[in-house]
Amino acid sequence: GAGVSQSPSNKVTEKGKDVELRCDPISGHTALYWYRQSLGQGLEFLIYFQGNSAPDKSGLPSDRFSAERTGGSVSTLTIQRTQQEDSAVYLCASSPLLSRGASTDTQYFGPGTRLTVL
Amino acid sequence: QQQVKQSPQSLIVQKGGISIINCAYENTAFDYFPWYQQFPGKGPALLIAIRPDVSEKKEGRFTISFNKSAKQFSLHIMDSQPGDSATYFCAALGGRRALTFGSGTRLQVQP
Repeated sequence: GAGVSQSPSNKVTEKGKDVELRCDPISGHTALYWYRQSLGQGLEFLIYFQGNSAPDKSGLPSDRFSAERTGGSVSTLTIQRTQQEDSAVYLCASSPLLSRGASTDTQYFGPGTRLTVL
Repeated sequence: QQQVKQSPQSLIVQKGGISIINCAYENTAFDYFPWYQQFPGKGPALLIAIRPDVSEKKEGRFTISFNKSAKQFSLHIMDSQPGDSATYFCAALGGRRALTFGSGTRLQVQP
């Protein structure tokens, strides 16, 4: 089946504007993750959703960042009042999470959204 | 405790040679260690993964060696090909479900 898809593939915005990034996980995958990839910081975890559980937001860098997942499928990452340091590639991943409590779930990544804040 | 250290930062190998990338971790709660391959403009793709109950896992030309006591693991690419030229990331997962990534190794295989 189709892999993880993300849109847009590229987004250029002006400092101070809000942006929304979208992720469509692999069908049937219950876990969804957002990561950020930047030159200076490498690959960083942002937020994790698992089923109906409360999301793990421990990686969000500031309260300008938020994410939601509707209907257990599509997720949107929102960045308010964007800053130049928000420029990065935002990656979404999903996993089937074979069994509750297992930590050996494989994460499948989308192609990312490249965000440039001018 | 969450950090995964990866080396080298970049690597140049001749076609047919062996590429070796090393990673070390501190958090003993990690119990799943994947390697990802990333081409420019693409997302990371899972290459191979290992759990700490085995010391080696091989899939085709790719092998992970795992040393639990030293808290180190490495990726070996045998018979390296120009098509293997990419950035490789080691990662670790355990407890918290978020992957902790190494800093990446840019591999260039010269023809």
